[in-house]
Amino acid sequence: EPEVTQTPSHQVTQMGQEVILRCVPISNHLYFYWYRQILGQKVEFLVSFYNNEISEKSEIFDDQFSVERPDGSNFTLKIRSTKLEDSAMYFCASIRAGQAPWETQYFGPGTRLLVL
Amino acid sequence: QQQVKQSPQSLIVQKGGISIINCAYENTAFDYFPWYQQFPGKGPALLIAIRPDVSEKKEGRFTISFNKSAKQFSLHIMDSQPGDSATYFCAAASNFGNEKLTFGTGTRLTIIP
Repeated sequence: EPEVTQTPSHQVTQMGQEVILRCVPISNHLYFYWYRQILGQKVEFLVSFYNNEISEKSEIFDDQFSVERPDGSNFTLKIRSTKLEDSAMYFCASIRAGQAPWETQYFGPGTRLLVL
Repeated sequence: QQQVKQSPQSLIVQKGGISIINCAYENTAFDYFPWYQQFPGKGPALLIAIRPDVSEKKEGRFTISFNKSAKQFSLHIMDSQPGDSATYFCAAASNFGNEKLTFGTGTRLTIIP
């Protein structure tokens, strides 16, 4: 069964450093999302991406965040200057779109980011 | 208005019993209500979902009950099994929101023998 993959599974970084989290969505999917989950809390929407541009972003997704689809398979989340409060599990998700109004969002296994 | 409230925060049920998790929403634009199951160290995985044009949806041991007028929906797990022990998140989405999911706060379910 196709699945969303994410790398790395864990990342430790120093405050102020840049990090890039990588995702490979399911191959025929067209909408992509990043969510984050601070330990013990709910999953929160960060950004959605369609047709090579951001379609919606939350207030969490400030100027320190950016997303990119550099090629036909990867979808990346960059945090330019990490803060302690960026420590969280980051999930990538994707949907196929176009076949039904409401489709299953498939989530990757996540990248656990720890900012020291 | 975008919040989805979920209760209880944690739930312990005996094997074979019924697990019930409740959610409430405020935004009347929501029209898709999925439940996700998450095991430790894994991403959320869709369990079952409902649209507001029906009041109930059943898939195996899992049932969603939906009350549009009360803006509430719930997950019932019948004959709960130890393998059902996980965190469950309700969520909601709107056709006008690029299908982004707004999650509830989660319920940690433990099934004891």
